[in-house]
Amino acid sequence: KQEVTQIPAALSVPEGENLVLNCSFTDSAIYNLQWFRQDPGKGLTSLLLIQSSQREQTSGRLNASLDKSSGRSTLYIAASQPGDSATYLCAVGFYTNAGKSTFGDGTTLTVKP
Amino acid sequence: DAGVIQSPRHEVTEMGQEVTLRCKPISGHDYLFWYRQTMMRGLELLIYFNNNVPIDDSGMPEDRFSAKMPNASFSTLKIQPSEPRDSAVYFCASSSWDRVGQPQHFGDGTRLSIL
Repeated sequence: KQEVTQIPAALSVPEGENLVLNCSFTDSAIYNLQWFRQDPGKGLTSLLLIQSSQREQTSGRLNASLDKSSGRSTLYIAASQPGDSATYLCAVGFYTNAGKSTFGDGTTLTVKP
Repeated sequence: DAGVIQSPRHEVTEMGQEVTLRCKPISGHDYLFWYRQTMMRGLELLIYFNNNVPIDDSGMPEDRFSAKMPNASFSTLKIQPSEPRDSAVYFCASSSWDRVGQPQHFGDGTRLSIL
């Protein structure tokens, strides 16, 4: 069974700190991995998508990496701000279920001023 | 680009009533997904369509749930009869496929409360 795991479930850091969120998956046969952000009471906003042929993607203070062989992705947030507080979810597209994505349960990040 | 549009944004109804949720995907996207999100169960995929055809409905919880996609620009998720345990936020998302997959785009969701 293809599973996506995000640890920790919650993370609290002081403003300005650099941090890493983790996503692991059980099947290396993936075609992409997507990171989302969800604010309370809101929908999911796509942050970054890494295709299977790529190792990383960057957008502003965010950097997502992908290591298929170890079944891991990380989302690095530089110089965190209170406005970064949200739940971050990763979603993996597995070739055996091409077209849909399997979501992790998310990591809820709190950045304290 | 208007994004994925869902309606209504909020729905409160009594147990036993029929509920219909609506979704307009992004033009040109050939995949459409219906998700349900609760605190207890997180984000669950209910059903998804490719080119208006249902591909996988294994996530649909019961026969009370049904989904249709009569054309490329419209889909509905219907619950009949509704029950309090159906209370959740229902999201619609769409994407396109080109061998490597493109990002899923989510609507703002419908917050459903069954009394």
